[in-house]
Amino acid sequence: DTEVTQTPKHLVMGMTNKKSLKCEQHMGHRAMYWYKQKAKKPPELMFVYSYEKLSINESVPSRFSPECPNSSLLNLHLHALQPEDSALYLCASGRYTGELFFGEGSRLTVL
Amino acid sequence: GENVEQHPSTLSVQEGDSAVIKCTYSDSASNYFPWYKQELGKRPQLIIDIRSNVGEKKDQRIAVTLNKTAKHFSLHITETQPEDSAVYFCAASISGGGADGLTFGKGTHLIIQP
Repeated sequence: DTEVTQTPKHLVMGMTNKKSLKCEQHMGHRAMYWYKQKAKKPPELMFVYSYEKLSINESVPSRFSPECPNSSLLNLHLHALQPEDSALYLCASGRYTGELFFGEGSRLTVL
Repeated sequence: GENVEQHPSTLSVQEGDSAVIKCTYSDSASNYFPWYKQELGKRPQLIIDIRSNVGEKKDQRIAVTLNKTAKHFSLHITETQPEDSAVYFCAASISGGGADGLTFGKGTHLIIQP
């Protein structure tokens, strides 16, 4: 199984809503990542989890709250988002020595 | 932190010709350099990668070269085909891909003209 599965594929939310993005992998990878990608731009690193501990937070606003319940799951909790947060949110997992595997992404629209 | 520059931003080539995309990086400690292909509406997918102890790597029509001294690396695609049309991202990492994620270049939109 070389898949990283993300749900939901699409999400529309208002600025006062609370929602969560979910990511799952069963490749035994101990590093998991959240990236944000705007249209025609490269993926931009948000968070890195290493052995279920948050190791990197790239100065992301607190309205984004990551969680790693276990080595296979990664969540991104969303609250009080702004329209400029609309983007494709990509989850990835990988070993420390090589390839990152990306999920298909969750396309978020904030109204 | 690491900074990756990528050129050109758009590249149009005739089908069957070669395409070359170039990247430079700033941190001499970086040691892992992957290339990702992203088709419209899809996830980035690794097409080839190279480590700092290797100067060149080839996989069928795709090759990557690395010049550590100059801190630049390039993607070469030969005998281009319509399915090569996509956005290509180079990336660099200090820790070999894992512990600190990847820093991406801005991307190159490759267009294969029939």
